[in-house]
Amino acid sequence: LAKTTQPISMDSYEGQEVNITCSHNNIATNDYITWYQQFPSQGPRFIIQGYKTKVTNEVASLFIPADRKSSTLSLPRVSLSDTAVYYCLVGDRGSTLGRLYFGRGTQLTVWP
Amino acid sequence: GAGVSQSPSNKVTEKGKDVELRCDPISGHTALYWYRQSLGQGLEFLIYFQGNSAPDKSGLPSDRFSAERTGGSVSTLTIQRTQQEDSAVYLCASSSDPHSNQPQHFGDGTRLSIL
Repeated sequence: LAKTTQPISMDSYEGQEVNITCSHNNIATNDYITWYQQFPSQGPRFIIQGYKTKVTNEVASLFIPADRKSSTLSLPRVSLSDTAVYYCLVGDRGSTLGRLYFGRGTQLTVWP
Repeated sequence: GAGVSQSPSNKVTEKGKDVELRCDPISGHTALYWYRQSLGQGLEFLIYFQGNSAPDKSGLPSDRFSAERTGGSVSTLTIQRTQQEDSAVYLCASSSDPHSNQPQHFGDGTRLSIL
């Protein structure tokens, strides 16, 4: 599966937009890009998934350029409760039977 | 509706003892996964069930680890003769279809501490 690289940590302030970029240079044709959020003492929570261009839901937006070698998770107007670890994953659900490979993620800290 | 439920939430045991961890997936989810997360690390895949069968056991770290799933629902992860390096949070996830867009839903894990 494609390896992903993302910043270890990021800081922001309440009300700001946060963009977390993930690099996946070896992404395969069938791979999707998925982001999860994890709070302390909780399991990861699915945020958003996409294949190309832009995907938006009630929580976030995911931007994927044409070459798909990177993706950016955008969180609009963050609040203190958005402080969490964010994981970027790529994988072909069909061949890996849905197994997910998590890296260390990005620790986002939102300050008042 | 109920999410993925894991029990116990915390388990402390002595080295050498056996432990059983339980996972109740979301009703109707056919796929079930076990992961392990050590302090400050990402998740490490352990095993995947589709129904009651386990087509992918490749992540189990040693033969002390085993898992079963009965009735296509509840799963138990058993660790025999526990070692201190087994200390971690064990997470379970379920999905309605691993081959589609359906995401994996995680429980909050069992925190296992081996003394």
